[in-house]
Amino acid sequence: DVKVTQSSRYLVKRTGEKVFLECVQDMDHENMFWYRQDPGLGLRLIYFSYDVKMKEKGDIPEGYSVSREKKERFSLILESASTNQTSMYLCASSLNKRGQYFGPGTRLTVL
Amino acid sequence: GQQLNQSPQSMFIQEGEDVSMNCTSSSIFNTWLWYKQDPGEGPVLLIALYKAGELTSNGRLTAQFGITRKDSFLNISASIPSDVGIYFCAGQLAGANSKLTFGKGITLSVRP
Repeated sequence: DVKVTQSSRYLVKRTGEKVFLECVQDMDHENMFWYRQDPGLGLRLIYFSYDVKMKEKGDIPEGYSVSREKKERFSLILESASTNQTSMYLCASSLNKRGQYFGPGTRLTVL
Repeated sequence: GQQLNQSPQSMFIQEGEDVSMNCTSSSIFNTWLWYKQDPGEGPVLLIALYKAGELTSNGRLTAQFGITRKDSFLNISASIPSDVGIYFCAGQLAGANSKLTFGKGITLSVRP
């Protein structure tokens, strides 16, 4: 079974803090994705990566950056957290042209 | 970005009933996926469809990839209380580099 894990299930941070969200997959997938999910807005793609050290902007990259130094690990960074980044963050991974497998999510609250 | 169309937003059914939900788009997709999400959890992949006309089952769930490649449906037979959750469809466009387009989901409630 594919396993995608995320470093925290719940996180509370203060405005202006730097926040790191980590995601690890154990199935040697090439592609990894970061989404945020908000009520009424559905899943929105922040960034994705199709190879180590490669990254591409998704639909809402502003205020975020990512890092992929190893194939199994994809990090999402909020350089200076703001209250409008309070959300559920979901990581996913996939093989090329196959379904994406999601982690359990991190519910981030920025105060 | 583009969204897939899923409606209604919520469905209420009686335990034991069958339920069908569909997902439509104005674009052609090469892959259709169905996910279920429980509250506070990540979406779980239920069924993946890779070929137009394909009909695939996973237990009490059956999904089909529409012939026009612009739609898909999911059927749940003999519903049980643990079927409660949000059901999302997702599609992959040709050349989309594995990116998915998602529907907003249908919240399913099952009355015992």
